[in-house]
Amino acid sequence: GQSLEQPSEVTAVEGAIVQINCTYQTSGFYGLSWYQQHDGGAPTFLSYNGLDGLEETGRFSSFLSRSDSYGYLLLQELQMKDSASYFCAVRTSGNTPLVFGKGTRLSVIA
Amino acid sequence: SQTIHQWPATLVQPVGSPLSLECTVEGTSNPNLYWYRQAAGRGLQLLFYSVGIGQISSEVPQNLSASRPQDRQFILSSKKLLLSDSGFYLCAWKGREGGGNQPQHFGDGTRLSIL
Repeated sequence: GQSLEQPSEVTAVEGAIVQINCTYQTSGFYGLSWYQQHDGGAPTFLSYNGLDGLEETGRFSSFLSRSDSYGYLLLQELQMKDSASYFCAVRTSGNTPLVFGKGTRLSVIA
Repeated sequence: SQTIHQWPATLVQPVGSPLSLECTVEGTSNPNLYWYRQAAGRGLQLLFYSVGIGQISSEVPQNLSASRPQDRQFILSSKKLLLSDSGFYLCAWKGREGGGNQPQHFGDGTRLSIL
């Protein structure tokens, strides 16, 4: 089977930096993705890592280490609007659906 | 640009009633299509996916079924709903171009409550 582990909840202060980790055990690996979901909304795509290293998109960065089956999402200069659930997801081959972790609920406090 | 439409946004149904949720995608051809379910405060569970018309793969045995009668239309159905079918149902699509690194794009979802 496939499993992705990420913390269930994280709390951080506005303006700070927070890192959300994800470890995975899957039968195949074709990249790690991150999605953001606000309460009542649909998940929206944030980032994708197909190779080892860091990908940066504005305040958000994502990292992958395939040898460690590990990745993280880094959010900088946190804003109140970043309060949401964040999901890591793995595709096990090119044409298969994403398998999602259970999500990390991020609360940004003043 | 591509868009995905899902309806209805909210649905309240009695136990034992039938279900039909519809999802359509515009602006792309031959997309991969997916149905996920999300229980309150939980992760996304893949229900069905389709790589083409009439091609449906089921991930979880249950009383739900899916159909793809047209290239950009994906329907989730049930003949008799159970209380456990309550949840947030999300349709998603992925383009074929660019390979497996293409993201999945989600519709706004249908919140289904079974009474």
